[in-house]
Amino acid sequence: AQSVTQLDSHVSVSEGTPVLLRCNYSSSYSPSLFWYVQHPNKGLQLLLKYTSAATLVKGINGFEAEFKKSETSFHLTKPSAHMSDAAEYFCVVSEVRRRALTFGSGTRLQVQP
Amino acid sequence: SQTIHQWPATLVQPVGSPLSLECTVEGTSNPNLYWYRQAAGRGLQLLFYSVGIGQISSEVPQNLSASRPQDRQFILSSKKLLLSDSGFYLCAWSWSSGTDTQYFGPGTRLTVL
Repeated sequence: AQSVTQLDSHVSVSEGTPVLLRCNYSSSYSPSLFWYVQHPNKGLQLLLKYTSAATLVKGINGFEAEFKKSETSFHLTKPSAHMSDAAEYFCVVSEVRRRALTFGSGTRLQVQP
Repeated sequence: SQTIHQWPATLVQPVGSPLSLECTVEGTSNPNLYWYRQAAGRGLQLLFYSVGIGQISSEVPQNLSASRPQDRQFILSSKKLLLSDSGFYLCAWSWSSGTDTQYFGPGTRLTVL
């Protein structure tokens, strides 16, 4: 069975400082891993996806994530936060044999001016 | 390019009334289609998915049903709404083969009073 744990329900940073959103996963097979972002009352937008091609994945809006198999982690980072980054972020795992995505519970990112 | 639409954007319905939410995808053929529900402060729960016209799989037993009358149309329905049906409903699509990446629509906010 697959599962995702987002270690922080809320993260608050100041504008211009680094962002770290933590995610651990559990999967019986080689997983695909995703980060999605959701702004209030909006749909989910794909930030980036890991599919075993490279452990460091670059996404949109300056975000990137590193896949660490030994730690079963897929943390999302950004060097410098912008006010527009304030949103909810979801770490997601998918397995080849399943059609469903398994979502983490989400991390709400606040960016202080 | 592909586009996914959902309507209505918001809906307020009394308990016991019927429900019909619609999702359409443009720019692709034979997509996989998905319905998710997001309850307040919680992650996403997969409700239904479809791999073709008339082919519906239910992930969670509930008061809802889904239909796919056309290749790129996915409908979520209920005969009698419950208070617990309130939430944010998201439709998503993915390619029928290959990548498991799902692309989400803008969502429908349903409030049952």
